[in-house]
Amino acid sequence: AQSVTQLGSHVSVSEGALVLLRCNYSSSVPPYLFWYVQYPNQGLQLLLKYTTGATLVKGINGFEAEFKKSETSFHLTKPSAHMSDAAEYFCAVSFSGGYQKVTFGTGTKLQVIP
Amino acid sequence: DAGVIQSPRHEVTEMGQEVTLRCKPISGHNSLFWYRQTMMRGLELLIYFNNNVPIDDSGMPEDRFSAKMPNASFSTLKIQPSEPRDSAVYFCASRDQRLAGNSGANVLTFGAGSRLTVL
Repeated sequence: AQSVTQLGSHVSVSEGALVLLRCNYSSSVPPYLFWYVQYPNQGLQLLLKYTTGATLVKGINGFEAEFKKSETSFHLTKPSAHMSDAAEYFCAVSFSGGYQKVTFGTGTKLQVIP
Repeated sequence: DAGVIQSPRHEVTEMGQEVTLRCKPISGHNSLFWYRQTMMRGLELLIYFNNNVPIDDSGMPEDRFSAKMPNASFSTLKIQPSEPRDSAVYFCASRDQRLAGNSGANVLTFGAGSRLTVL
């Protein structure tokens, strides 16, 4: 069965500091990995995704994530946090075959301190 | 494109009442998902439709919950009777399964959610 684990339900960083949100996955087949962001009172929207090919994936708003198969990880980073990055971030996993169920992690709320 | 449209955005009802949540997926998307989000349980998949057919309803909490998709442009999630523990934000999401074949790499597009409060 596939699953994702997000370490840390709340993360606080100072404005301008590095953002690192952790995600580890479990999948018996090659996974497709996603990061979604949820702003208050809104639905989730895609930040970036990994399917195949280059393991470093760049997304919107300066975020990027690196797929590390040996560590079963897909951590999200941004070099310099901005106040507008305050939101909840969800890691998700899917795979080809079957009906491509998408499993979400429990989410990490990012607080940016001015 | 107007995106995934959900209604109502907010619903307050009393225990025992019937609640119907509605979703209009993106035109051309042939897969639809209903999720429930709570503080305690996070984001839970309730049911998934592909080409209007329910594929997996194992996440539906109990018989009080039912979902239908009578056509490609409309789905409902019904709770009857509602209970206070059903209070949550319910999200609908759609996906185009025709992109890249039958691949799980396709992106979900979420609606803004329906916030349900059962008193």
